Amino acid sequence: AQSVAQPEDQVNVAEGNPLTVKCTYSVSGNPYLFWYVQYPNRGLQFLLKYITGDNLVKGSYGFEAEFNKSQTSFHLKKPSALVSDSALYFCAVRDGSSNTGKLIFGQGTTLQVKP
Amino acid sequence: DARVTQTPRDKVTEMGQEVTMRCQPILGHNTVFWYRQTMMQGLELLAYFRNRAPLDDSGMPKDRFSAEMPDATLATLKIQPSEPRDSAVYFCASGGEGRTGELFFGEGSRLTVL
Repeated sequence: AQSVAQPEDQVNVAEGNPLTVKCTYSVSGNPYLFWYVQYPNRGLQFLLKYITGDNLVKGSYGFEAEFNKSQTSFHLKKPSALVSDSALYFCAVRDGSSNTGKLIFGQGTTLQVKP
Repeated sequence: DARVTQTPRDKVTEMGQEVTMRCQPILGHNTVFWYRQTMMQGLELLAYFRNRAPLDDSGMPKDRFSAEMPDATLATLKIQPSEPRDSAVYFCASGGEGRTGELFFGEGSRLTVL
């Protein structure tokens, strides 16, 4: 079975500071990893994904994430946070070795960026 | 601008009533997922389809929930009878690039069962 853990319910950062939102995963086969963002009363929007290749992947709005196989982590990062980045962030994993393509999400982390 | 369309956006109903939520996936996408979002449980996968065939509905309470894809442009999630604990936001998402592709989410259907 696959699972995702986001250990922080909320992350608070000051505008202009770097931010990190943590994610660890468990999957029996090859991990396909995704980050999504959700603004209030909206659906989830895709930010970035890791399938294979370079461990550092870049995505929308200046976000990036680093895949670390030994630590089974896929932390979301941004060098300089904006107030408009405040939202709910979800990490998700799919077992790349499975034929089913099931995508499982973590519990979500609320990012609060203060001016 | 291709997007996933869900109806209704908001639904308030009485306990025991039937509720049907509809989803129009993005044209050409061959996978459709139904998720339920609550404060307590987060995002739960209820069911998903590939090429209109159900692949997994193990996350769905079978006695009252049912999910179908009558055709490639319509997915439905039905609750009969509804209960207050079914109150949540239900999201439909579609994808078209197999297992490596991202999902595109609709805006959700907010269900309140009184």
